Amino acid sequence: DAGITQSPRHKVTETGTPVTLRCHQTENHRYMYWYRQDPGHGLRLIHYSYGVKDTDKGEVSDGYSVSRSKTEDFLLTLESATSSQTSVYFCAIRYDRGNTEAFFGQGTRLTVV
Amino acid sequence: GDSVTQMEGPVTLSEEAFLTINCTYTATGYPSLFWYVQYPGEGLQLLLKATKADDKGSNKGFEATYRKETTSFHLEKGSVQVSDSAVYFCALSDQTGTASKLTFGTGTRLQVTL
Repeated sequence: DAGITQSPRHKVTETGTPVTLRCHQTENHRYMYWYRQDPGHGLRLIHYSYGVKDTDKGEVSDGYSVSRSKTEDFLLTLESATSSQTSVYFCAIRYDRGNTEAFFGQGTRLTVV
Repeated sequence: GDSVTQMEGPVTLSEEAFLTINCTYTATGYPSLFWYVQYPGEGLQLLLKATKADDKGSNKGFEATYRKETTSFHLEKGSVQVSDSAVYFCALSDQTGTASKLTFGTGTRLQVTL
């Protein structure tokens, strides 16, 4: 257990509603990441953070925003959910850049109907 | 940009068979390379890693060697078990920019049967 908690673990929401997913860590790691996992695509990076209030976009950031107001929490928001955002979302944390491993949360399964 | 290419799955093997899952990468600079495993309903967990050319990562009977000349990091295991059934992801980590991002392959599902 790398001290990562994702919430909720499962969510069903309607198209057009806002949704926020939370990633909480107890490890005080600097780097945090949000990925989505879809069949045939592996894991794709949505957004990442390299410190409090320091965030940047990944390869599939359209329709998503993030915030990190304190080290331990990294929030992912879908401003207006669409069916194409139905996916499994994983948060990851990393102590340092380079050759250190990333630790993953258990994932959040989001269904947009 | 960086990319990782893995062999398509699923791979179906009998118990005690030899496993190879191919992985090649494209990256600028000198990335670190990783293999992650995902069991059903779980998140990813690190299986092994290599941080420089010719390094061999190993864990739980799995091995992979960082081959810079062929830009490859193939995963091997001499004798698979039913409990090895999972999805395996090859990944690289760049060394540049503000945060070192992990780039993943599409994953290879392994099914081991008795």
